[in-house]
Amino acid sequence: EPEVTQTPSHQVTQMGQEVILRCVPISNHLYFYWYRQILGQKVEFLVSFYNNEISEKSEIFDDQFSVERPDGSNFTLKIRSTKLEDSAMYFCASMGQRNTEAFFGQGTRLTVV
Amino acid sequence: GENVEQHPSTLSVQEGDSAVIKCTYSDSASNYFPWYKQELGKRPQLIIDIRSNVGEKKDQRIAVTLNKTAKHFSLHITETQPEDSAVYFCAASKNTGNQFYFGTGTSLTVIP
Repeated sequence: EPEVTQTPSHQVTQMGQEVILRCVPISNHLYFYWYRQILGQKVEFLVSFYNNEISEKSEIFDDQFSVERPDGSNFTLKIRSTKLEDSAMYFCASMGQRNTEAFFGQGTRLTVV
Repeated sequence: GENVEQHPSTLSVQEGDSAVIKCTYSDSASNYFPWYKQELGKRPQLIIDIRSNVGEKKDQRIAVTLNKTAKHFSLHITETQPEDSAVYFCAASKNTGNQFYFGTGTSLTVIP
């Protein structure tokens, strides 16, 4: 069964450093997302991406965040200058058609120290 | 924007009993309501979903009901088993956007 894969599974970084979280969505999917989940809290929407551009973003997704789909398979989330409060599990998700099941990756646990 | 509320936040039931989790939403334009199960340390996975043109949907021990007028939808798990223990998230989305708005999650514990 096709899966969304994310790397790395765990990333520890120093405050102020840049991090890039990587995702390989399911190959024929068209809609791509990043969500985050602070420990013990709900899943929060960050950004959606369709047709090579951002289609929606939340208030959390400020100028420190950016997304890219550099080739036909990868979808990346960059945090330019990490803060302690960026520590969370980051989930990538992809969707084949609008308003259908979103398939989540296994997540990247980001720890900012 | 949409606001999805979910309760209870924690729920403990005896094995074999039923569990019910409730969600409300605010945006009447929302028309797709998935439920995700997240086991400890794992990714959220879809267990059942319902669209606004349907009032109820069932899949074996899991059912979801939707009341569009009241803007609430519920997950029902019957004959619960220990492997049902997980965090359950409801969500809502609509055709004009493509993000999911998640509820705050319900931690379900099934006691053997």
